[in-house]
Amino acid sequence: DTEVTQTPKHLVMGMTNKKSLKCEQHMGHRAMYWYKQKAKKPPELMFVYSYEKLSINESVPSRFSPECPNSSLLNLHLHALQPEDSALYLCASSQPLEVAFFGQGTRLTVV
Amino acid sequence: QQPVQSPQAVILREGEDAVINCSSSKALYSVHWYRQKHGEAPVFLMILLKGGEQKGHEKISASFNEKKQQSSLYLTASQLSYSGTYFCGTYKAAGNKLTFGGGTRVLVKP
Repeated sequence: DTEVTQTPKHLVMGMTNKKSLKCEQHMGHRAMYWYKQKAKKPPELMFVYSYEKLSINESVPSRFSPECPNSSLLNLHLHALQPEDSALYLCASSQPLEVAFFGQGTRLTVV
Repeated sequence: QQPVQSPQAVILREGEDAVINCSSSKALYSVHWYRQKHGEAPVFLMILLKGGEQKGHEKISASFNEKKQQSSLYLTASQLSYSGTYFCGTYKAAGNKLTFGGGTRVLVKP
């Protein structure tokens, strides 16, 4: 099983809303990632969790809050987002320094 | 610092060949290649771990020159299904930081 599952697939939220994106993997991977991708751009790294601890935060605004409840789950909590935060949010997982497997992403629109 | 890819875009006829390059100013632990089709997630193609090592996937192969900190992806006898955006990814060991090059958009026409 090389699947990374993300929910929801699509999300429309207002600028005052609070929502969460979820990511799950059952490959026993110990590194999990959040990426943001704008149209015609590469995935841009936001956060990395290694062994359930936050190891990388790429100076992401605090309106994005990651959480790793256990080794299989990764959440991204969203609060007071701006329209420019609209993008495809990708979750990935890997063993440390090895091949990363991506979920299908959540297409987020902030209105 | 993210790797640098070239060219930014390639248009091919079916059956033609192309090369995509990926280079880094920093010492590389490995180079990963991914392909992303429109509206889909990136899909892993191959990983290069050692200098000079070549790996293959269908008629797509790659090489890694450790001295030059450069990897090249070779699309041989391209098929329509090769269309998509190709990204190279590199790790910084500290923190498992996987970052991607700017991407190369490949369009294979009949």
